[in-house]
Amino acid sequence: NAGVTQTPKFRVLKTGQSMTLLCAQDMNHEYMYWYRQDPGMGLRLIHYSVGEGTTAKGEVPDGYNVSRLKKQNFLLGLESAAPSQTSVYFCASRAGSLNYGYTFGSGTRLTVV
Amino acid sequence: GQQLNQSPQSMFIQEGEDVSMNCTSSSIFNTWLWYKQDPGEGPVLLIALYKAGELTSNGRLTAQFGITRKDSFLNISASIPSDVGIYFCAGQLRYSGAGSYQLTFGKGTKLSVIP
Repeated sequence: NAGVTQTPKFRVLKTGQSMTLLCAQDMNHEYMYWYRQDPGMGLRLIHYSVGEGTTAKGEVPDGYNVSRLKKQNFLLGLESAAPSQTSVYFCASRAGSLNYGYTFGSGTRLTVV
Repeated sequence: GQQLNQSPQSMFIQEGEDVSMNCTSSSIFNTWLWYKQDPGEGPVLLIALYKAGELTSNGRLTAQFGITRKDSFLNISASIPSDVGIYFCAGQLRYSGAGSYQLTFGKGTKLSVIP
């Protein structure tokens, strides 16, 4: 039972490079989320999706794009990486009903130099 | 947007001691959740609270949903070294306008246990 899987686990980018982070869940969850975690800042929502083919902006969406072409996958893209995007990125998913917590992946540590 | 104030930011305790941390908000939440994050891992759900006044236990952990629905606390009894990590509170509105049932997270309490 894999739950939420994030790839890659680590990545170093040069400023201006692009990359895509992949999140895959095998729990048939409707909702998926991308967060970034920075020291002293907690978890901040970047983008989220309430179902296949839908995406919406969260608290800190600038510099990121997302896609949810398949229900089980939620992709986070950085078109032109900046040092301010150095962070740990977490994907989470949840079922559509009320009163259920999120299931998180183990994170992607991204460094932009 | 909603903000959660979580305190303390960090704690150093001796093994065997009890721990208490709390979250307060200016907004009313319908659900309170407590997560633990081990180093290098994603947060894992510890306890979920669904009703004002509810007191729920999970082993040595006890959490309560405040009567005003604007606060929650988490207690850990008889701490052990594996309790080390970051504890996050999270509040969930029943409906956040976009149908996403988003969670609002506190900034975390970093717990260190001295053997």
